[in-house]
Amino acid sequence: QQQVKQSPQSLIVQKGGISIINCAYENTAFDYFPWYQQFPGKGPALLIAIRPDVSEKKEGRFTISFNKSAKQFSLHIMDSQPGDSATYFCAAMAGSNYKLTFGKGTLLTVNP
Amino acid sequence: ETGVTQSPTHLIKTRGQQVTLRCSSQSGHNTVSWYQQALGQGPQFIFQYYREEENGRGNFPPRFSGLQFPNYSSELNVNALELDDSALYLCASSRSGNTDTQYFGPGTRLTVL
Repeated sequence: QQQVKQSPQSLIVQKGGISIINCAYENTAFDYFPWYQQFPGKGPALLIAIRPDVSEKKEGRFTISFNKSAKQFSLHIMDSQPGDSATYFCAAMAGSNYKLTFGKGTLLTVNP
Repeated sequence: ETGVTQSPTHLIKTRGQQVTLRCSSQSGHNTVSWYQQALGQGPQFIFQYYREEENGRGNFPPRFSGLQFPNYSSELNVNALELDDSALYLCASSRSGNTDTQYFGPGTRLTVL
């Protein structure tokens, strides 16, 4: 039972382009949605997170868009750079449930 | 401020053996969560420790157990290792009252032969 579905599985973008990764969830109790970036051989690093009381959050080149009615959220990376090449995971948590439920990840490659 | 650290970095065991993985939480954090990340997959929640007590558990068998110490560091123990236990084991720490923001360590790569 996959509670958070992530797409695409892999993504290739040219330098300067926009990378878009999408996630959909089923559990309406989820109320915290972080995105993590993971480089090979490293642990996931928190990138940006959003709660359902806002529809968009922006931090630098990274933006989360959130659609509560559709139970979907997405990560947009503007002006993508080769250094952004990594695996990106969306995740969700319900209240004080304490556990993060992750998507399966998206391998992003930004070509120079 | 030091981040989350884990040891060892890599470990090779044979089927049936037991293993202990260690985690030191980030300064000021008193909650530790453990995750298993199989190759090509997202992390899966194993359990969480808060004030030295298990505070929730994912869908893992009892041969996965843990401890948290008074200094908030933690251990993950796995008994009777199986081939499918081969994975990256991640530790994440957070502050009580703000357990949504979890910061991950670099992980321990366990290979079971």
